[in-house]
Amino acid sequence: QQQVKQSPQSLIVQKGGISIINCAYENTAFDYFPWYQQFPGKGPALLIAIRPDVSEKKEGRFTISFNKSAKQFSLHIMDSQPGDSATYFCAASIEETSGTRLTFGEGTQLTVNP
Amino acid sequence: NAGVTQTPKFRILKIGQSMTLQCTQDMNHNYMYWYRQDPGMGLKLIYYSVGAGITDKGEVPNGYNVSRSTTEDFPLRLELAAPSQTSVYFCASSYRGGVAEYFGPGTRLTVT
Repeated sequence: QQQVKQSPQSLIVQKGGISIINCAYENTAFDYFPWYQQFPGKGPALLIAIRPDVSEKKEGRFTISFNKSAKQFSLHIMDSQPGDSATYFCAASIEETSGTRLTFGEGTQLTVNP
Repeated sequence: NAGVTQTPKFRILKIGQSMTLQCTQDMNHNYMYWYRQDPGMGLKLIYYSVGAGITDKGEVPNGYNVSRSTTEDFPLRLELAAPSQTSVYFCASSYRGGVAEYFGPGTRLTVT
């Protein structure tokens, strides 16, 4: 069961444009929503994260927007640069009896053209 | 700090062979994780550990085993390799439980 759905699968943006990646979740018990950036041949890196009691979080050119009622959250990359070309994963964390679990979306391959 | 290191980087196994993927972190994190990443897919949690001597199953534990004798090391064991285990394996660690913060560079495993 796919609990976190991510779209689009791939995205091409011109340099200086805004990249927007969307995620939707089903389980309202999720309590932490991180985004990861992965370059080819490398492990993912934690980029930015948000809790559901906050509607927006900004770190530099990266912003997470969170809509609790719609069970959706999105990553916005402002002034996109070729160096931002990577695969981006959203994720959602849930506290279970056996511990905290992280569920990943399927990823979005972002290409920023110069 | 070296962060999270994994060995080997690449490995080809024949069906039925066994191997251990090594993972070490030098950040004194209690939480460590093993994920697998299949092409075009997100990461799936195999096993995780909340501290030395404590491990638990993730989403896809079948065919794997782990141990955590020290805070630093969290090896992943494949006992009878199968083609379905062809994947890229990532080890990760974190200060905050449940949310992997630092990933290793990965081990690309092919089972033929």
